[in-house]
Amino acid sequence: DTAVSQTPKYLVTQMGNDKSIKCEQNLGHDTMYWYKQDSKKFLKIMFSYNNKELIINETVPNRFSPKSPDKAHLNLHINSLELGDSAVYFCASSQKDMFFYGYTFGSGTRLTVV
Amino acid sequence: AQSVSQHNHHVILSEAASLELGCNYSYGGTVNLFWYVQYPGQHLQLLLKYFSGDPLVKGIKGFEAEFIKSKFSFNLRKPSVQWSDTAEYFCAVIANSGNTPLVFGKGTRLSVIA
Repeated sequence: DTAVSQTPKYLVTQMGNDKSIKCEQNLGHDTMYWYKQDSKKFLKIMFSYNNKELIINETVPNRFSPKSPDKAHLNLHINSLELGDSAVYFCASSQKDMFFYGYTFGSGTRLTVV
Repeated sequence: AQSVSQHNHHVILSEAASLELGCNYSYGGTVNLFWYVQYPGQHLQLLLKYFSGDPLVKGIKGFEAEFIKSKFSFNLRKPSVQWSDTAEYFCAVIANSGNTPLVFGKGTRLSVIA
């Protein structure tokens, strides 16, 4: 059983399109995250949700909108895709009161905008 | 807010050589520290973590790291690397309070040659 699963694994799309990436965790964690890894491998936090409530919203264009229908799911919707959005997007989860155990990461979604 | 510096961008070693990857963090309060590894094309996996107690922590695959509080450092070591250790290594820190997320360094690429 995959602990944190993301779909799709690869996404190639044209500029201007709207796309979504889904994330689900079966660990019973109450906090979920989206990270963006750029071409230089730098990992930057985008959003964090705790029990469906947005708790972290870094400086990210408002074309990016996270949605958490329940605490096991955190989806990322991106409007009007741009070339600069090409990256690998990682979903992660943790248990807020046990954060020192670290995060569990999904396998990533490689987004390519052409 | 906390930040992490990894001094080595790319390290090339021969098999059986010893490894030390530098990591320094910036934060005035108590932190928890992590090293993650990302094998080519894969997701992040936890190598080891420190949150209290013995500052020398041992992780998987023969890796260890030492927390030196006075130097704000958490360097990763391995006495003898193998070709299979070729990967990207990320140091990360999280503040021991509040809702701040896990913050990553920019990563160190390790290439082990036969």
